Amino acid sequence: GAGVSQSPRYKVAKRGQDVALRCDPISGHVSLFWYQQALGQGPEFLTYFQNEAQLDKSGLPSDRFFAERPEGSVSTLKIQRTQQEDSAVYLCASSLRSSGIGELFFGEGSRLTVL
Amino acid sequence: AQKITQTQPGMFVQEKEAVTLDCTYDTSDQSYGLFWYKQPSSGEMIFLIYQGSYDEQNATEGRYSLNFQKARKSANLVISASQLGDSAMYFCAMSLYNFNKFYFGSGTKLNVKP
Repeated sequence: GAGVSQSPRYKVAKRGQDVALRCDPISGHVSLFWYQQALGQGPEFLTYFQNEAQLDKSGLPSDRFFAERPEGSVSTLKIQRTQQEDSAVYLCASSLRSSGIGELFFGEGSRLTVL
Repeated sequence: AQKITQTQPGMFVQEKEAVTLDCTYDTSDQSYGLFWYKQPSSGEMIFLIYQGSYDEQNATEGRYSLNFQKARKSANLVISASQLGDSAMYFCAMSLYNFNKFYFGSGTKLNVKP
């Protein structure tokens, strides 16, 4: 497709389970971002990739969160031993630019519910 | 530190009227960009409008315009002739020139009444 694709759209996990969320950015986009959006809040930055390099992971809330983009295209956000506070929508965004200011294109998000 | 503030959690507007959504920002950087995104209930963030910190004219995109007041550090979104389909969450965001992250406000929920 032409846009950013995320899967699964919805995920229900039992507390303690591991989850993996996938992002397929727009082809050719250099930059890829993950954001966490709690209910009724604005998106909060998690991590940033430029091609396969993870240049900023300052927003990852704990070492249970891990992201990768091994070939510079598809990215996976993994959450180990999920907790209830991890329940949120996880948004992926990509951009053609690697520097300067440009528009972010967002996917529809993966809604994670931890029971 | 960078910060975006949206002080209106919810707004109502009558269909066909104009509405202004407030946004103030805080940064010590001189080079930055300001964005507005719309998020309908489906969840996708839709880009609406962009204003660069060095742009002298206010940005406009169809029914959307951005009222940029640099000295006040405000970047309000004006929607003219509101439509029912404009009902959604609206987020103001800022990006610095090094472009490694966007900072988002807490959003404003706009309801357009028929």
